[in-house]
Amino acid sequence: ETGVTQTPRHLVMGMTNKKSLKCEQHLGHNAMYWYKQSAKKPLELMFVYNFKEQTENNSVPSRFSPECPNSSHLFLHLHTLQPEDSALYLCASSQEGAGGSYEQYFGPGTRLTVT
Amino acid sequence: GQNIDQPTEMTATEGAIVQINCTYQTSGFNGLFWYQQHAGEAPTFLSYNVLDGLEEKGRFSSFLSRSKGYSYLLLKELQMKDSASYLCAVRDSNYQLIWGAGTKLIIKP
Repeated sequence: ETGVTQTPRHLVMGMTNKKSLKCEQHLGHNAMYWYKQSAKKPLELMFVYNFKEQTENNSVPSRFSPECPNSSHLFLHLHTLQPEDSALYLCASSQEGAGGSYEQYFGPGTRLTVT
Repeated sequence: GQNIDQPTEMTATEGAIVQINCTYQTSGFNGLFWYQQHAGEAPTFLSYNVLDGLEEKGRFSSFLSRSKGYSYLLLKELQMKDSASYLCAVRDSNYQLIWGAGTKLIIKP
């Protein structure tokens, strides 16, 4: 247990569906992240929230929409996805700024399959 | 562009020592991380280097040379449970992590 939980662990959705991924961190961190992990590729940073403000959006298609209602919760809303969006979606958190340790703690991920 | 290179796969024998190399070219440098990821699981933090030299933590050590853009992870007394992917990541000038594709380490009895 890393202190970061994600639900659901597995998700199969059609291209016309709308679903949401949820992440919660119990570590008191001030930054949260969404990553996409595809086989044999580096982790792709999708979104970063620092102190609840979105500070990074790495050219992610608009069919992915993040939401960070507070420093402990992060959502990824999905709609009209494509088969190439099938991947492992990882949430992470870290403590940034003065006195921060900076290492990121990851949740177990959501394995997403788009049919 | 930013780039992290590490070998795709390595094989080693139980009880032996293995060194996993990582070279990087990034816009700025604010530290280098190593993570371990077992199949089907989340990455877990192993080590952090921000100054040149060797950091030792039990059976695992990590080395950094900033002038060479180079790091390695050294695993001693290998155990079967060390079979996993090892990810190298560099924190760039924007304080974001740039990740390598990972090295899959296979341990044989």
